[in-house]
Amino acid sequence: NAGVMQNPRHLVRRRGQEARLRCSPMKGHSHVYWYRQLPEEGLKFMVYLQKENIIDESGMPKERFSAEFPKEGPSILRIQQVVRGDSAAYFCASSPGGEDGETQYFGPGTRLLVL
Amino acid sequence: AQSVTQPDIHITVSEGASLELRCNYSYGATPYLFWYVQSPGQGLQLLLKYFSGDTLVQGIKGFEAEFKRSQSSFNLRKPSVHWSDAAEYFCAVEGGSYIPTFGRGTSLIVHP
Repeated sequence: NAGVMQNPRHLVRRRGQEARLRCSPMKGHSHVYWYRQLPEEGLKFMVYLQKENIIDESGMPKERFSAEFPKEGPSILRIQQVVRGDSAAYFCASSPGGEDGETQYFGPGTRLLVL
Repeated sequence: AQSVTQPDIHITVSEGASLELRCNYSYGATPYLFWYVQSPGQGLQLLLKYFSGDTLVQGIKGFEAEFKRSQSSFNLRKPSVHWSDAAEYFCAVEGGSYIPTFGRGTSLIVHP
């Protein structure tokens, strides 16, 4: 059973470009979470999605950031018009919901560098 | 609101020595508690979790943690540290919203 997959693992963008980060949850998991980690800091929650629905986006910046989890395919975190402050590691986690819904399993992350 | 404090930014131990990493939380009721480990350039791996029941929780890699309600703590312990345990350790608390709050992390350095 493959774990949570994220790609790309590393992404370099110039200011003003778009960044698309992909996350495939573990098989059987229908809940996806996105986090951002800045150097020497813990993870900051961004958004919680279930298939085709955004459940909680209280941690998402109001502008330039969006997320989706379509019926088919991976979850996508999209950052438009990136700025240097967007440079960070972005982690995706998934959970099965139900009785073990509180346990999240993390992917390896995407390291975004904005030049 | 839920919050987590990991008071130690760095901890240095000798290989073979015992380890205790501190975690204090703030939440109105009994929360869900987690410890994760992160190796450089990697994602987070779940070490152990507490939901209810026995307050001493066993995890992977020889780690354990004890939930102490009176102290609002969930400290992580290991009796004998190995060099491969050097990593960043994160405590997390969650109050039933499915959205955990993470501490800032404790960096473990292991001397040979």
